[in-house]
Amino acid sequence: GESVGLHLPTLSVQEGDNSIINCAYSNSASDYFIWYKQESGKGPQFIIDIRSNMDKRQGQRVTVLLNKTVKHLSLQIAATQPGDSAVYFCAEKAGGGNKLTFGTGTQLKVEL
Amino acid sequence: DAGVTQSPTHLIKTRGQQVTLRCSPISGHKSVSWYQQVLGQGPQFIFQYYEKEERGRGNFPDRFSARQFPNYSSELNVNALLLGDSALYLCASTLPGNNQPQHFGDGTRLSIL
Repeated sequence: GESVGLHLPTLSVQEGDNSIINCAYSNSASDYFIWYKQESGKGPQFIIDIRSNMDKRQGQRVTVLLNKTVKHLSLQIAATQPGDSAVYFCAEKAGGGNKLTFGTGTQLKVEL
Repeated sequence: DAGVTQSPTHLIKTRGQQVTLRCSPISGHKSVSWYQQVLGQGPQFIFQYYEKEERGRGNFPDRFSARQFPNYSSELNVNALLLGDSALYLCASTLPGNNQPQHFGDGTRLSIL
């Protein structure tokens, strides 16, 4: 299928290594953040979310870190697997409603 | 349980035509949002609907409209199609309440000739 990752920043990692994907957000009023994984030909898949009253949240093999001082968000994937290869987007939301503002995305490539 | 379902999966139209895209949310989800994703970019917010009312609108022209039905499904309509409307149109649904994760369907790929 078509690639969603044309001209996106690329992170290449070896299988089994840890991956860190970074995201800078722009709106200091944002209070909710989400990471999505998007494979070619599919819609974004929810990975993990974090609210602004937290600075760290862990899921299965994933950890999200939030630094509100410098408006930075990161996604850590432990023991990266070939199935983790995809484009990863961070998204932010400010206040009520459902409007998500997405970042530019990072293409993660896992090398065997 | 079924996820968000969208139809059709692919669509080809010509400039000036009109198109209707459909979305069925996850069971129990009452809010639906529409996004446009141009190749190589992140999704851009178009609309949010909750309880059949528009609750948010992104920076899109009036050619874009939507509605939500009593069963919480939704339609996105685009009139007077332009070449620049070629994109992947995504629907996402959420549970009621603030700061609930949005779950996306696989989208409708719209190509304008």
